[in-house]
Amino acid sequence: GQNIDQPTEMTATEGAIVQINCTYQTSGFNGLFWYQQHAGEAPTFLSYNVLDGLEEKGRFSSFLSRSKGYSYLLLKELQMKDSASYLCAVEDSNYQLIWGAGTKLIIKP
Amino acid sequence: ETGVTQTPRHLVMGMTNKKSLKCEQHLGHNAMYWYKQSAKKPLELMFVYNFKEQTENNSVPSRFSPECPNSSHLFLHLHTLQPEDSALYLCASSQESGSGSDEQFFGPGTRLTVL
Repeated sequence: GQNIDQPTEMTATEGAIVQINCTYQTSGFNGLFWYQQHAGEAPTFLSYNVLDGLEEKGRFSSFLSRSKGYSYLLLKELQMKDSASYLCAVEDSNYQLIWGAGTKLIIKP
Repeated sequence: ETGVTQTPRHLVMGMTNKKSLKCEQHLGHNAMYWYKQSAKKPLELMFVYNFKEQTENNSVPSRFSPECPNSSHLFLHLHTLQPEDSALYLCASSQESGSGSDEQFFGPGTRLTVL
């Protein structure tokens, strides 16, 4: 079967760095997405990786290793507004998105 | 504001009611999606429309009936639902379905409670 694993919840301190991991087992791979979802709001796109390596976008970076079926989202200089759920999703061989259950990130002052 | 709107934002219905959820996108996209989001569970893809044609139906019970009259509008008709159908129903759109790197733009969702 197809499976996306990510931690259920993480806690970090304002100003610090946090890494949210995602491992996947899917039938084929056509890319990996990270989305952010604040409580009661729509998920919004953060990043897309299809090749191995690190993609940097301001305070957020996303890494992919296809051979290991592994990705992480790195958030630097954490701010209180970064408190949200972070969803990992993989596009399988049929270009269908397979979603993880999300990681709830709690930022403490 | 993502360019995708959904109405109503909240809906409470009995098991014998019939109601409809509406989604509209103002992004000029050709693909639209319905998802179900339950607490602590992954997003479940329900239906996909690409250029108004249904391309995916992920074994969704017939009490959920989608309708896509044009590329900008998507409906989900509900009838004789069960309490376990209570969830957040999210609509999304993308440039095209099955084309790789297209990000999906989500609406704010309809919080559905079935009594």
